[in-house]
Amino acid sequence: AQTVTQSQPEMSVQEAETVTLSCTYDTSESNYYLFWYKQPPSRQMILVIRQEAYKQQNATENRFSVNFQKAAKSFSLKISDSQLGDTAMYFCAFMKPLSGYALNFGKGTSLLVTP
Amino acid sequence: DAGITQSPRHKVTETGTPVTLRCHQTENHRYMYWYRQDPGHGLRLIHYSYGVKDTDKGEVSDGYSVSRSKTEDFLLTLESATSSQTSVYFCAISEGDRNPSYGYTFGSGTRLTVV
Repeated sequence: AQTVTQSQPEMSVQEAETVTLSCTYDTSESNYYLFWYKQPPSRQMILVIRQEAYKQQNATENRFSVNFQKAAKSFSLKISDSQLGDTAMYFCAFMKPLSGYALNFGKGTSLLVTP
Repeated sequence: DAGITQSPRHKVTETGTPVTLRCHQTENHRYMYWYRQDPGHGLRLIHYSYGVKDTDKGEVSDGYSVSRSKTEDFLLTLESATSSQTSVYFCAISEGDRNPSYGYTFGSGTRLTVV
């Protein structure tokens, strides 16, 4: 089974600053997909950003961007101009096209944005 | 998110009783999933379905069964609930092979407490 590791259980950042959340994964596959999901206190799971492994260009969605290093099996999330509403649990997830397109999640990083 | 609903939202049940959680979608997606979320573990896959009557086990399937008799409904059953099954349960849907990079749409979750 693929392993997804988020090494930072908790992080804190001041409003308007930039923060980077780390994620590494272990796989022998060459074709796969990577995701970051956000879970605010409301408990709803929200897709933040996605990356297709065969695309070398790093994905960007407004203030959110990733640093995808395929050889290093690293997929970090950068949040720029942090806002109070970014306070949430963030999960990194790996999807292999076989095995039912199941998502394998990391344990999460709790991010607190302070004024 | 419109398109996927879970019921009930909260449930308290006694040890040894059967419990069924329901997931209903209106998106006509082929793939449906059940996850459980526990502190320190992220989300772990219980079972998934890739079509009517087509299901498969996930990482933590012991003590759970599923059924999918219609495209829109995916039921999760705890045959005899135990305290270790106290958790938040999430249902998710996916287009699977049609658009794997879209990831999942999640339901709002069911908080189950077994006393």
